[in-house]
Amino acid sequence: EDQVTQSPEALRLQEGESSSLNCSYTVSGLRGLFWYRQDPGKGPEFLFTLYSAGEEKEKERLKATLTKKESFLHITAPKPEDSATYLCAVPEDNNDMRFGAGTRLTVKP
Amino acid sequence: DTGVSQDPRHKITKRGQNVTFRCDPISEHNRLYWYRQTLGQGPEFLTYFQNEAQLEKSRLLSDRFSAERPKGSFSTLEIQRTEQGDSAMYLCASSLAPTGQETQYFGPGTRLLVL
Repeated sequence: EDQVTQSPEALRLQEGESSSLNCSYTVSGLRGLFWYRQDPGKGPEFLFTLYSAGEEKEKERLKATLTKKESFLHITAPKPEDSATYLCAVPEDNNDMRFGAGTRLTVKP
Repeated sequence: DTGVSQDPRHKITKRGQNVTFRCDPISEHNRLYWYRQTLGQGPEFLTYFQNEAQLEKSRLLSDRFSAERPKGSFSTLEIQRTEQGDSAMYLCASSLAPTGQETQYFGPGTRLLVL
């Protein structure tokens, strides 16, 4: 069975303190790795899709990278508004998404 | 641009009652997904439709759950004889497939509390 594991479960940063979130996966025939942001009480908001090892994508203070076994979401100089839960997911053979449990990020001013 | 919408946003019900949720996908999207999310966990797949056909169901979808997508547009998810364990956020997502780069876009969710 495919597995998606995210670490850490929770991360507290000071504003401006850069860090990285990890998503490791075991899936045969990766058809993309997806990153979402989820604010409390809301649905996940799409951020990035990565398809091949070595690929990188950026959006504002976020950069996602992909290797053959894991993906990282790097957050550079975060701001309080970056506080959210970050979810990664991989598509399975039946077209649904298998999600990790998420990393809950808190950025203190 | 209208994204995925869900109604109601919140529902409180008593154990044993039936509830129905509605999802309106992005208009040109042919795939529609239902997920369930409990506190501290990622969304878990329940079922999905391509147009009006229900193509996959998770084993999480007990016989108390039924989903429909008449005419391949909006979808409803009904839970019969609700139990306290059904309390969760129910999320709907839609996508355009097959495109080779399918992204699922989520609605705001319906939060269900069963008393």
